[in-house]
Amino acid sequence: SFVLTQPPSVSVAPGKTASITCGGNNIGSKTVHWYQQRPGQAPVLVIYYDNDRPSGIPERFSGSNSGNTATLTISRVEAGDEADYYCQVWDSSSDHWVFGGGTKLTVL
Amino acid sequence: QVQLVQSGAEVKKPGASLKVSCRASGYTFTVHYIHWVRLAPGQGLEWMGCINPNGGGTNYAQNFQGRVTMTRDTSISTAYMELSSLRSDDTAVYYCAKGRGGPTSSFDYWGQGTLVTVSS
Repeated sequence: SFVLTQPPSVSVAPGKTASITCGGNNIGSKTVHWYQQRPGQAPVLVIYYDNDRPSGIPERFSGSNSGNTATLTISRVEAGDEADYYCQVWDSSSDHWVFGGGTKLTVL
Repeated sequence: QVQLVQSGAEVKKPGASLKVSCRASGYTFTVHYIHWVRLAPGQGLEWMGCINPNGGGTNYAQNFQGRVTMTRDTSISTAYMELSSLRSDDTAVYYCAKGRGGPTSSFDYWGQGTLVTVSS
């Protein structure tokens, strides 16, 4: 089945930009979604269709997807952005959903 | 507003079965798929499968084939996930989630999660 690879952790200072990658074989040909999960809470959709934001998600959150890497970018990082972030794709070859392993974002 | 409300925490013994409910409100239940996702301690999100409330068709992840059954009761806008032959590594928080659109669209609303502990 399709494999998504994320770095286990990313650290960033407040006010800086965080980039979280999601690697997969020709992932650029797929549509990527991103979820934020704070400790003890349910996941929240922050980016869908590579770079669309649901209502209520700040413009600081953006996404891109090309080649073998999709990226979630968080600008002007705030303490409240500290969470686990997961990428997700639909694998049409298996007709199954796949999540990346998750990246823990730490705000220094 | 859209809400998914799940049943409460459970403690099960190895070999037992589990049934979690997910009651939907604030939208037309039969229009959107319901997915089940779990988060085990120290692990990442794992998709378990989904059900189309309109007709009841299901799609189960390979890891759970033969152990999971997803059903729904449209009269009360509720989806169910049953997992059998429980093992200690089934200890996890189980979530239901609503699909935004068709079966290949993202998950836009999630339940609060149901903590399941499997222990002898």
